[in-house]
Amino acid sequence: EAGVAQSPRYKIIEKRQSVAFWCNPISGHATLYWYQQILGQGPKLLIQFQNNGVVDDSQLPKDRFSAERLKGVDSTLKIQPAKLEDSAVYLCASSLDLRGGSGYTFGSGTRLTVV
Amino acid sequence: KNQVEQSPQSLIILEGKNCTLQCNYTVSPFSNLRWYKQDTGRGPVSLTIMTFSENTKSNGRYTATLDADTKQSSLHITASQLSDSASYICVVSYTSGGSYIPTFGRGTSLIVHP
Repeated sequence: EAGVAQSPRYKIIEKRQSVAFWCNPISGHATLYWYQQILGQGPKLLIQFQNNGVVDDSQLPKDRFSAERLKGVDSTLKIQPAKLEDSAVYLCASSLDLRGGSGYTFGSGTRLTVV
Repeated sequence: KNQVEQSPQSLIILEGKNCTLQCNYTVSPFSNLRWYKQDTGRGPVSLTIMTFSENTKSNGRYTATLDADTKQSSLHITASQLSDSASYICVVSYTSGGSYIPTFGRGTSLIVHP
């Protein structure tokens, strides 16, 4: 079974620039999550999708972050404009359903450095 | 406020020794608790999952316990190996509006020395 695919693996941008991350979840997984993991901390949930609908985006900084999952499969997370404090690893995860009973499968993440 | 606290923040042990990691939570209403292992530069990988009625769950040399009354969990690693060096993250999920929201701890960084 293919895992959760994320790209790019690394990204370095200057502050105030824009950046986008891509995630392809495991086939058949209806629920998709984006997490931000700052160095030395656990992942923080940014947004949770069920198919193409948003379930929870309460911790997403909506003034600069946006995410979409238009066809209920792939998802993109965008930051515009980026700030220094956005430097982190952005993890994508998927699960079969909202319950997550089968577990969450994580991608390897995109490491973003804002300079 | 839903929170997950882990201790110690970091731990160094010698290969072959046992260790226990702690997780305390205030998440409510409780759905399940998972322990994840996160190798450097990789995404977290699930080790165990426990629901309210389960007290212990094993996965090889990893044994997780759950005390739902005191809202505490532990992860015991037996006969540690160098490959156990990683961050161990406790994740507690709560229910909200029909959905299950995972809350992550900051993790315990484990280093196993030869």
